[in-house]
Amino acid sequence: ETGVTQTPRHLVMGMTNKKSLKCEQHLGHNAMYWYKQSAKKPLELMFVYSLEERVENNSVPSRFSPECPNSSHLFLHLHTLQPEDSALYLCASSQDGTLNTEAFFGQGTRLTVV
Amino acid sequence: AQSVTQLDSQVPVFEEAPVELRCNYSSSVSVYLFWYVQYPNQGLQLLLKYLSGSTLVKGINGFEAEFNKSQTSFHLRKPSVHISDTAEYFCAVIPRGGYQKVTFGIGTKLQVIP
Repeated sequence: ETGVTQTPRHLVMGMTNKKSLKCEQHLGHNAMYWYKQSAKKPLELMFVYSLEERVENNSVPSRFSPECPNSSHLFLHLHTLQPEDSALYLCASSQDGTLNTEAFFGQGTRLTVV
Repeated sequence: AQSVTQLDSQVPVFEEAPVELRCNYSSSVSVYLFWYVQYPNQGLQLLLKYLSGSTLVKGINGFEAEFNKSQTSFHLRKPSVHISDTAEYFCAVIPRGGYQKVTFGIGTKLQVIP
């Protein structure tokens, strides 16, 4: 248990569906992140939020829409996804927005787009 | 921009034998260096990090890594592995002064054979 909780753990959705991934941290951290982990590819940083403001958006398609209502919660809203979006989506948090402070990862949501 | 190369996608090793997982990086600026471990169905967990000072860094679970600036390497070592070390290991870099421009390697799967 790292203090970062992601739900659901597994999600299967059709290309026309709308779903949301949820991440919650109980560590008092100020920064939260979304990563995409695909087979045989490096971990990809998608979004960074620091003090509830988005500070990094690494050219992610608009079908992925993040939301950070407060420093403890982070969402990733999904709509009209493609099969290639199937991956493990990892949430992480850290004390501040620089990775030289340790990042704590959740267990991830395994997403399958059919 | 920076890049991280983990040359070995899989490393099988017998229990109680030593292991070295290789990581090389390239960057136009100085970097911080990290090793993360991912156990099956889990998120990433920080093993160790190099920020400054001694080039030999000790981490959790008996792992250590040595930063070699001239060879731009940060290889991970353990003198005697256990079955419980079976996992995937990721090397990552972030430029000094950079704001979350983290780059991960593709990962190395360590399989410890009884």
